[in-house]
Amino acid sequence: DAGVTQSPTHLIKTRGQHVTLRCSPISGHKSVSWYQQVLGQGPQFIFQYYEKEERGRGNFPDRFSARQFPNYSSELNVNALLLGDSALYLCASSLKSGDYEQYFGPGTRLTVT
Amino acid sequence: SQQGEEDPQALSIQEGENATMNCSYKTSINNLQWYRQNSGRGLVHLILIRSNEREKHSGRLRVTLDTSKKSSSLLITASRAADTASYFCATAPRETGTASKLTFGTGTRLQVTL
Repeated sequence: DAGVTQSPTHLIKTRGQHVTLRCSPISGHKSVSWYQQVLGQGPQFIFQYYEKEERGRGNFPDRFSARQFPNYSSELNVNALLLGDSALYLCASSLKSGDYEQYFGPGTRLTVT
Repeated sequence: SQQGEEDPQALSIQEGENATMNCSYKTSINNLQWYRQNSGRGLVHLILIRSNEREKHSGRLRVTLDTSKKSSSLLITASRAADTASYFCATAPRETGTASKLTFGTGTRLQVTL
């Protein structure tokens, strides 16, 4: 079975632009979470969606938004990009919401210039 | 903000030796998970230990959890060059209820040399 997939793999954007990152969970998984990992640090939680509803939100500005589709795939949108948004964006899926094992995708490397 | 810290920040050992990494966290948890990350790519889930468990094994991995000290350790026995990676502990804080929110530590960079 395929694992969590993310697209694109790499992305270069300019300050002020908008970006959309995509994630497909493991088949059968209904929960998707997004994390931001800045170089040299551990991942930080951004959002979690379960059954198309937001279940959790981390300490990120309103420029960050996300949604989950009926097939449980998800998009993370970031508006008005800043240099500090440069990071590895990781998507994780789990069977349900709650304290289940989370399985991560390979990530999208975003560089803002 | 990070939930806790891994110790040491970096560890260099020879193949065949054991590697021990420690993790401390701050709040009450439902479970604690360990992940491996190679070269800044995706995280690989290694093991999950629940708050009512004290020790868990998976292959060459042994994880302990001490909720009274808010700490955990990961032991990798008979290390191999392929174990070279960054290792993170992540906690599912009890305060998040039914949400799937993990709070990660700062990671331990393990280097296994031949």
